[in-house]
Amino acid sequence: DAGVIQSPRHEVTEMGQEVTLRCKPISGHDYLFWYRQTMMRGLELLIYFNNNVPIDDSGMPEDRFSAKMPNASFSTLKIQPSEPRDSAVYFCASSLAAASSGYTFGSGTRLTVV
Amino acid sequence: SQQGEEDPQALSIQEGENATMNCSYKTSINNLQWYRQNSGRGLVHLILIRSNEREKHSGRLRVTLDTSKKSSSLLITASRAADTASYFCAATNQAGTALIFGKGTTLSVSS
Repeated sequence: DAGVIQSPRHEVTEMGQEVTLRCKPISGHDYLFWYRQTMMRGLELLIYFNNNVPIDDSGMPEDRFSAKMPNASFSTLKIQPSEPRDSAVYFCASSLAAASSGYTFGSGTRLTVV
Repeated sequence: SQQGEEDPQALSIQEGENATMNCSYKTSINNLQWYRQNSGRGLVHLILIRSNEREKHSGRLRVTLDTSKKSSSLLITASRAADTASYFCAATNQAGTALIFGKGTTLSVSS
């Protein structure tokens, strides 16, 4: 397996633009997590899915953020409209279980909003 | 809010020395996990210790867990320059349904 695949690796966009981040989890993993990492706040859990269903989105900072998982092999995180304070590294991770096994992380998407 | 908090924030040692990082957490857990992150990369799972375990080993890594003190430690023995990275502990959230990460310890190993 190629691991968790995220795209793009880097994204630079202007304030107000829509940004879509993509993730392909490991086949057979039932859980998918989106995290955001910044120097100030560390790693923050944004949302997670179980069997393609969103379970907890309490970490999504604002209504500008939305996430979908249309099938077991694909998820998106969308920010619309983007703001400079959204600049961060966004990680997707997948796992066999919610928290009783290790997570496999993607390489992340570094988002810069100017 | 973070479930796990690492201490120290930064650690610099020489090759061959041991490195110890500590983690404290707030609520009851099912397990605690340690991850490593190289600069510009994603996190890599190192080791998982369950709440009924007190110590676990994996190669040069040794993890301890003290549930009465709500703390864990990660020991890297005979460190190498390649161990230079950030290390994170992660504990389950209150619902036990996801991992919450600390801010990490940045380890620098010089040769």
